[in-house]
Amino acid sequence: AQKVTQAQTEISVVEKEDVTLDCVYETRDTTYYLFWYKQPPSGELVFLIRRNSFDEQNEISGRYSWNFQKSTSSFNFTITASQVVDSAVYFCALRFGNEKLTFGTGTRLTIIP
Amino acid sequence: GAGVSQSPSNKVTEKGKDVELRCDPISGHTALYWYRQRLGQGLEFLIYFQGNSAPDKSGLPSDRFSAERTGESVSTLTIQRTQQEDSAVYLCASSWTSEAFFGQGTRLTVV
Repeated sequence: AQKVTQAQTEISVVEKEDVTLDCVYETRDTTYYLFWYKQPPSGELVFLIRRNSFDEQNEISGRYSWNFQKSTSSFNFTITASQVVDSAVYFCALRFGNEKLTFGTGTRLTIIP
Repeated sequence: GAGVSQSPSNKVTEKGKDVELRCDPISGHTALYWYRQRLGQGLEFLIYFQGNSAPDKSGLPSDRFSAERTGESVSTLTIQRTQQEDSAVYLCASSWTSEAFFGQGTRLTVV
């Protein structure tokens, strides 16, 4: 069975601080994908990144970076120099083969100006 | 269109009425999902269609809920005899091999 755990329900940080959102997953499969999605107050779910289980390279996109560690089954997301526009709910998700996406419960991030 | 389209965007219905929600996936996407999101809550999986395989209906909360998909195109989610607890945003997503792309959702209010 697949499972995604986002232990942080809510996080608040002051603008310009760095923040890391944790994601821990469980799967018995060796080939799978991991994802992060952002849901801003407008409600639309926005795809941010996909990671293949065979590619453990960390990825950086502007102020966003992702750390994938198979040894700890984690796929953490760091926002550097946070901005108010980063305030949103962030979801981590897992999928293998043609099975359905499994989402975590989400982390509500609030950036305080 | 380029994205996942859902209609209507908003629906207000009286308790006990049936409603149909529609989802037009991205062309060529073989997988289609329905999720429910109550206010301030996470994503509740409802049903998953993958190509010609039998759908995964394990998330449907009761037999009042059903969904159909014609081939790899449009899907409709039907809720019969709506209850107030059905009030939520219903999100549809489609996918080809990996990541899913979401529609804007249908906000359902049962009064």
